[in-house]
Amino acid sequence: NAGVTQTPKFRVLKTGQSMTLLCAQDMNHEYMYWYRQDPGMGLRLIHYSVGEGTTAKGEVPDGYNVSRLKKQNFLLGLESAAPSQTSVYFCASSYEGYGTDTQYFGPGTRLTVL
Amino acid sequence: RKEVEQDPGPFNVPEGATVAFNCTYSNSASQSFFWYRQDCRKEPKLLMSVYSSGNEDGRFTAQLNRASQYISLLIRDSKLSDSATYLCVVKNRGNYQLIWGAGTKLIIKP
Repeated sequence: NAGVTQTPKFRVLKTGQSMTLLCAQDMNHEYMYWYRQDPGMGLRLIHYSVGEGTTAKGEVPDGYNVSRLKKQNFLLGLESAAPSQTSVYFCASSYEGYGTDTQYFGPGTRLTVL
Repeated sequence: RKEVEQDPGPFNVPEGATVAFNCTYSNSASQSFFWYRQDCRKEPKLLMSVYSSGNEDGRFTAQLNRASQYISLLIRDSKLSDSATYLCVVKNRGNYQLIWGAGTKLIIKP
């Protein structure tokens, strides 16, 4: 049982390049989330999904797109990377989104945009 | 004003001491409360949920004060392995989203 995995772990992009971050979970969770974490700030939600085939915007969705074609996978895309997108990206999943349900996190992707 | 505020620290504490952190939240509709722990360059992990009556898990005690809109975390008999950043998290009623504080860094010294 691997939990939540993310690929890649590190990436350096040039401004304007595109890339896709992959998140996979093997816990049969319905809900999945993409966050970014910047120094001195709390985690901020980019997009989330409440089930296969669904996506919704979070707090900071601009410049990102997502897809959830399979229940176990949640992809985050950057179409034209900007230096402001330099950050650590975490994927998380939960069984349900209500109440005190726990979110489980992947190990993160460290992205630098030059 | 941030919706969830924490003292960033760092708190430098000798091993064996008791340390407490507070976290304030601004939205009175906040319904669920959590403490997560994040080790350096690692992912956040749930430490404990915070219940209205307060709750304890070994050396860790969490309290909620709805009237003053703050939650607290108390760590007794601190260990070197407690060194980490502690993240205060709230969830508002009717919303899937977690609202994260920026974290309080704790350093336990031998």
